[in-house]
Amino acid sequence: AQTVTQSQPEMSVQEAETVTLSCTYDTSESDYYLFWYKQPPSRQMILVIRQEAYKQQNATENRFSVNFQKAAKSFSLKISDSQLGDAAMYFCAYRGFLTQGGSEKLVFGKGTKLTVNP
Amino acid sequence: DTEVTQTPKHLVMGMTNKKSLKCEQHMGHRAMYWYKQKAKKPPELMFVYSYEKLSINESVPSRFSPECPNSSLLNLHLHALQPEDSALYLCASSHAMTGTPNTEAFFGQGTRLTVV
Repeated sequence: AQTVTQSQPEMSVQEAETVTLSCTYDTSESDYYLFWYKQPPSRQMILVIRQEAYKQQNATENRFSVNFQKAAKSFSLKISDSQLGDAAMYFCAYRGFLTQGGSEKLVFGKGTKLTVNP
Repeated sequence: DTEVTQTPKHLVMGMTNKKSLKCEQHMGHRAMYWYKQKAKKPPELMFVYSYEKLSINESVPSRFSPECPNSSLLNLHLHALQPEDSALYLCASSHAMTGTPNTEAFFGQGTRLTVV
């Protein structure tokens, strides 16, 4: 079974600084998807960034980027120019790859609570 | 439209009550999910429907009964719940086939359930 580990229960960053959240995972599959979700106090889970394992290039979305190391099974999230609105719980998640109809559950890490200090 | 709509947003129910949570999406997704989330914990998967058929049941007690009447709707029927069932219940949807370009799950805002 796949597992996702986030080793940092809490992190803090100064506004406008850069912070990196860590995530490692375990799988025997060669193709899969990795995600970072953000859950602010409003409680809705919002997708931050997506990475396909078959793509070598690290995904970026504006101030958010990932460092995907497939061999090391590592998927860290870097937030640049941190803003107060970035404060939230961040969850790393794994989804397997299927080519036929069906579904594969999303496996979540335990989350990292990010505080942004003004 | 990239929304997953859940109703109600808050629900308080007694242990003998019967209630239902509702979830709706119009993104053409054929996989829909129910998750339970306790405070400061990650979401825990309860059920997955794929093409309107139950494909995953994570050994959830029978007091929770899911239903997928059509490809846009997902219900969770609640009966004889316990206080420990109090939690945030999240609905999500995604493409069922992960060979499609966009595979992420979209989540609703959740229903905050309190069992008294």
